[in-house]
Amino acid sequence: AQSVAQPEDQVNVAEGNPLTVKCTYSVSGNPYLFWYVQYPNRGLQFLLKYITGDNLVKGSYGFEAEFNKSQTSFHLKKPSALVSDSALYFCAVRDGASNTGKLIFGQGTTLQVKP
Amino acid sequence: GAGVSQSPSNKVTEKGKDVELRCDPISGHTALYWYRQRLGQGLEFLIYFQGNSAPDKSGLPSDRFSAERTGESVSTLTIQRTQQEDSAVYLCASSLRGQRVETQYFGPGTRLLVL
Repeated sequence: AQSVAQPEDQVNVAEGNPLTVKCTYSVSGNPYLFWYVQYPNRGLQFLLKYITGDNLVKGSYGFEAEFNKSQTSFHLKKPSALVSDSALYFCAVRDGASNTGKLIFGQGTTLQVKP
Repeated sequence: GAGVSQSPSNKVTEKGKDVELRCDPISGHTALYWYRQRLGQGLEFLIYFQGNSAPDKSGLPSDRFSAERTGESVSTLTIQRTQQEDSAVYLCASSLRGQRVETQYFGPGTRLLVL
């Protein structure tokens, strides 16, 4: 079965410090991976996606993600966190068993950046 | 340009009533998805539309749920005889098929509360 796991319910980091939000996946076929961010009472905003090629993917708002095939991971990173980065982050994988493009989401990780 | 819009933004209803949720996708986007987000959880796929093809209804939780889409425009999700467990945020997303791996863009969601 295909799945996405975000092992941390919450990540706390001080402003200016690097941040990592973890994601591991299990998928049949090629892994197409996504990160989205959700601010309170808002929809999901796309951050970045991995299709193929370079294992380091750069996205919006200074975020990047590192794809690691051997560890089946796709961790989200940012070199220097901002208070405004505080939000709910979702990792997702495209369902390889379907030709619809539907996404399978992790449970989400709340990022709290403190001044 | 305009993003995905959804209405209403909030809906409170009584158990047993029917509700209708609306989604306006990004103009030109041929694919449309509905997801459900229960409190503190990730998103669950409900249904997918692509052009004039038969929709993928594999995620609908019961026959009380149905959805329609007119061509490549507006979609409505209908929940009949609502139950308290239907309380959730219902998110709509659209994408432009034809890319190798398209990105889904989400609306702000409809927050449904069934009393």
